[in-house]
Amino acid sequence: GENVEQHPSTLSVQEGDSAVIKCTYSDSASNYFPWYKQELGKGPQLIIDIRSNVGEKKDQRIAVTLNKTAKHFSLHITETQPEDSAVYFCAARLTGGGNKLTFGTGTQLKVEL
Amino acid sequence: DAMVIQNPRYQVTQFGKPVTLSCSQTLNHNVMYWYQQKSSQAPKLLFHYYDKDFNNEADTPDNFQSRRPNTSFCFLDIRSPGLGDAAMYLCATSTRRGTANEQFFGPGTRLTVL
Repeated sequence: GENVEQHPSTLSVQEGDSAVIKCTYSDSASNYFPWYKQELGKGPQLIIDIRSNVGEKKDQRIAVTLNKTAKHFSLHITETQPEDSAVYFCAARLTGGGNKLTFGTGTQLKVEL
Repeated sequence: DAMVIQNPRYQVTQFGKPVTLSCSQTLNHNVMYWYQQKSSQAPKLLFHYYDKDFNNEADTPDNFQSRRPNTSFCFLDIRSPGLGDAAMYLCATSTRRGTANEQFFGPGTRLTVL
């Protein structure tokens, strides 16, 4: 099955700085890579996703890059704000695996004033 | 707004006392999922339904059961909760039509086992 590793487990940045979270996956058959943001006491919310036929995707301050050869993908948040503080999960979906996601272990992002 | 609703948000039960968590959706999605999320861990898929087709994960304990009486509702039954079952339980939905893959999560039910 798929295995997703995520680093770092905690990340602290100053407001306005950039934050980068990295994930690696094990199965080259994975074709869909979403990123979820989970605030305390809430369910995860999708913030951006990327499919295997695309190398980069951007949505305002958030971007995701995918390197299929190396089997890793990264989340980039620019101009961080205090409301970006949350736990971020990456995930991967196997082709032919239905819509089952394998999640990374999460990154606690803290944006300090 | 279309959404995924979970009730109750907080549930306290006693060791060994059966408990049922509920999930409803107004998205008309044909896939519904139940995840278990323990503190500081990633969500772990327990099972999912594609319409009425039930799909159990290999490592989901027999203590966990699920029912989906119709498209909108899905239930998680824990037959004999143990202390190790205390967790956040997340319901999610998605459509498998076309290439849409996003899973929409509910707010979760936090289960405490005394």
